[in-house]
Amino acid sequence: QKEVEQNSGPLSVPEGAIASLNCTYSDRVSQSFFWYRQYSGKSPELIMSIYSNGDKEDGRFTAQLNKASQYVSLLIRDSQPSDSATYLCAVREGSGYALNFGKGTSLLVTP
Amino acid sequence: DAGVTQSPTHLIKTRGQHVTLRCSPISGHKSVSWYQQVLGQGPQFIFQYYEKEERGRGNFPDRFSARQFPNYSSELNVNALLLGDSALYLCASSFRLAGGISSYEQYFGPGTRLTVT
Repeated sequence: QKEVEQNSGPLSVPEGAIASLNCTYSDRVSQSFFWYRQYSGKSPELIMSIYSNGDKEDGRFTAQLNKASQYVSLLIRDSQPSDSATYLCAVREGSGYALNFGKGTSLLVTP
Repeated sequence: DAGVTQSPTHLIKTRGQHVTLRCSPISGHKSVSWYQQVLGQGPQFIFQYYEKEERGRGNFPDRFSARQFPNYSSELNVNALLLGDSALYLCASSFRLAGGISSYEQYFGPGTRLTVT
């Protein structure tokens, strides 16, 4: 069973701080990694995709990938209360198209 | 451009009944995937279709079936509904870049919330 693991949280950070969300995966041949944001009662929204080792930045978001450690993370700089949501880590399985999701980390940004 | 659309938004069914959920992908996207999300869990992969052919199937019973139409819209069918089928059903669309290179980014629709009583 290929696993994607996330700390369920809640992770609480003050407004303006950096939120760090982590994800580990078990399938060594995984090549594509995604972060989705899901507000309560809504569907997941794609925030970032990352395919190569290293950092990828998009606005306040930075995704970090370390394939050797089978670890992917999402940093949110200058966190805002509107960032309060569940963040889902997703890994594309092998050569297929299916995404394998973690259970998500709940983030709470307090004013 | 319009995003992924799904219908209906909400649905209440009784155990043993059948349900059909519908999805239209983003214009230009030829691939549709279906996921089931129960409360407190991440989405679970059910099916993927590309160019009207099934390209992947998750660990779901044969009561679940799907198809994709020539206009790339898709239907998910579930027979003999069980209480445990109550969930948010998500459709995601994705595309291939020029030259046949795949983009694996998947964009979700608003979902259909199915309640089985």
